Amino acid sequence: DAGVIQSPRHEVTEMGQEVTLRCKPISGHNSLFWYRQTMMRGLELLIYFNNNVPIDDSGMPEDRFSAKMPNASFSTLKIQPSEPRDSAVYFCASSLGGGATGELFFGEGSRLTVL
Amino acid sequence: ILNVEQSPQSLHVQEGDSTNFTCSFPSSNFYALHWYRWETAKSPEALFVMTLNGDEKKKGRISATLNTKEGYSYLYIKGSQPEDSATYLCASNSNSGYALNFGKGTSLLVTP
Repeated sequence: DAGVIQSPRHEVTEMGQEVTLRCKPISGHNSLFWYRQTMMRGLELLIYFNNNVPIDDSGMPEDRFSAKMPNASFSTLKIQPSEPRDSAVYFCASSLGGGATGELFFGEGSRLTVL
Repeated sequence: ILNVEQSPQSLHVQEGDSTNFTCSFPSSNFYALHWYRWETAKSPEALFVMTLNGDEKKKGRISATLNTKEGYSYLYIKGSQPEDSATYLCASNSNSGYALNFGKGTSLLVTP
């Protein structure tokens, strides 16, 4: 299995631009998580999907952030408009089973820099 | 405890030393406690997932214990090696029970 695949690996954009990050979970996994990694706050949970349905989006910072999972093999995290404070590494992870009991498999992350 | 907290923040030991870290987590509505190892320039990888009070798990020289009543877990590394250098993250479920909240990690450096 190729593991969790994220794209792009790196993105540099200007403030105000739209950013779309993509994730392909491991085939057969039914839970998908988006996390944001910063030096100050560590790994923060943004949103959790189970069977393609958003279950917990309490970590999404504001209306500029949105996430979708149109099918079991694809998810997007969109930031519109982007701001410099959104600069971070965004990780996607998937697991088998619902909730917090399944081991998480992480992608390699998408490093976002907003100028 | 509202959040997952880890201590110490960083640790520097000599090769061959044994060491341990602490993870504190909310004990109410507990479902699971995870430990992950995160090497520089890589992604976090799972070490252990524990769900029962008193659980003890072992993988090679690394082991972990769990106390769900008081809300803490210990990770032990016996005879540390330079390749053990990494950040060790613990995570526990959120209040909803559905997702994992991570601590900020313990950064371990093992020097020869």
